[in-house]
This record gives sequence, C-alpha cells and structure tokens, in this order.
Amino acid sequence: DSGVTQTPKHLITATGQRVTLRCSPRSGDLSVYWYQQSLDQGLQFLIQYYNGEERAKGNILERFSAQQFPDLHSELNLSSLELGDSALYFCASSEGTGLSHEKLFFGSGTQLSVL
Amino acid sequence: AQSVAQPEDQVNVAEGNPLTVKCTYSVSGNPYLFWYVQYPNRGLQFLLKYITGDNLVKGSYGFEAEFNKSQTSFHLKKPSALVSDSALYFCAVRDYSSASKIIFGSGTRLSIRP
Repeated sequence: DSGVTQTPKHLITATGQRVTLRCSPRSGDLSVYWYQQSLDQGLQFLIQYYNGEERAKGNILERFSAQQFPDLHSELNLSSLELGDSALYFCASSEGTGLSHEKLFFGSGTQLSVL
Repeated sequence: AQSVAQPEDQVNVAEGNPLTVKCTYSVSGNPYLFWYVQYPNRGLQFLLKYITGDNLVKGSYGFEAEFNKSQTSFHLKKPSALVSDSALYFCAVRDYSSASKIIFGSGTRLSIRP
C-alpha cells in the first residue's frame, strides 16, 4: 500500500458530462501529481501541485482542471467529457516540490469510462 | 525539452536468464533518472533512481540500472529473471534545471516464461 488514496476506483459516465476525481496524498506529502494513462498515449503528465499552489503543467486539456486544498487532498475535474477521455487516471504524491530527486508514490488509479 | 524513450514494447525472457529493459533519455541539463514497475490493476511502484555518482544503481527486487552518459541510456537489468518479475516497466526522467516535470517513457512489458 503506497499510502495514496484515490476515489472512486471506477467511474462510468456519458459524453458531455462532468466528473471529479479525488486524491488523498501520503501523510505529510506536500506535492500531488496527476497522470493520465491510456493505451495509445502511455503515461501523460497532467499537472502538479505543491502545498496548494500549481507548480508544473503538462498536457492538460482546457476542459480539465485541478486544485489542491488546504488539507492537501487534490481533485481533478474533467468536463465536457469525450470518448477519448476514457483512461486510467493516477495521482501520485511526494514529499517535496519535485525540484529534488524524491520518488513518487502512486495511488491505484481511477478508471474512467466515457460511453 | 526533455524526453525518454523505451524502444521495446515487450521483452520476453526465460526464467533464470538475465534481463535488460532499455531506456534512453534527452534532457538539456543533468538528469535524474528513475525506473518504476506497474503490476496489473495497481499503481506504479518505485524501483530505483540515479542522481549522481556511481553509474550502477541498485534497487528493489534485485534490479539494477546502469547510467551511461555518453549513450544517454539508463538500462534496467537483473542477473536472473523470475516469473514474478512479469509486469510493465517505466523509465522516467527529470531535468533538475526545470520545474518539476517528471516525464515517463511509453513502458515496456516484461514477460518471464517458466
């Protein structure tokens, strides 16, 4: 068990809908990362937060947004969903900002299916 | 821009034989390099990392990786493969001169046959 909790584990929704994925990092970890894993795109970095502030941005669509709350949990909001958004979404956490070489601890992921 | 490549989608090895999973990288500065493993229906787990110093890095489950700066490679190795090593392996790189982006390769599926 990595200590990173993601909910829900599975999510089935329809095109055009909006969903929220939730992540609780390991106790004490300040950084949260979101990744999207799909068969054709591999593991894509979406966004990183450190202690409530956005720290780095990757290939995140404008329809997607995220935030990290004062208790350090994070939410990834996906709106106007398309079939191509179906993927496994991972959250990871680490102690620091990512500017050092700390390792990431991954949750088990949320499997999103858009029908 | 930083990038990492895993040229093999799949590697097949007989149990007991040595294994190598290849990774090459491109960064503008000095790299931090990582290997992660993903078992079915699980998140990624850290195996090992290279920061600086000794080019041979030892990690979890008997794995090691060799950093080669001239070839910009960071291949994962194990002297004797186990069936339980069968999983998806990801190489990752971070350029510590930029802000916090950790880029993963496309993954290599390792299959160990008994």
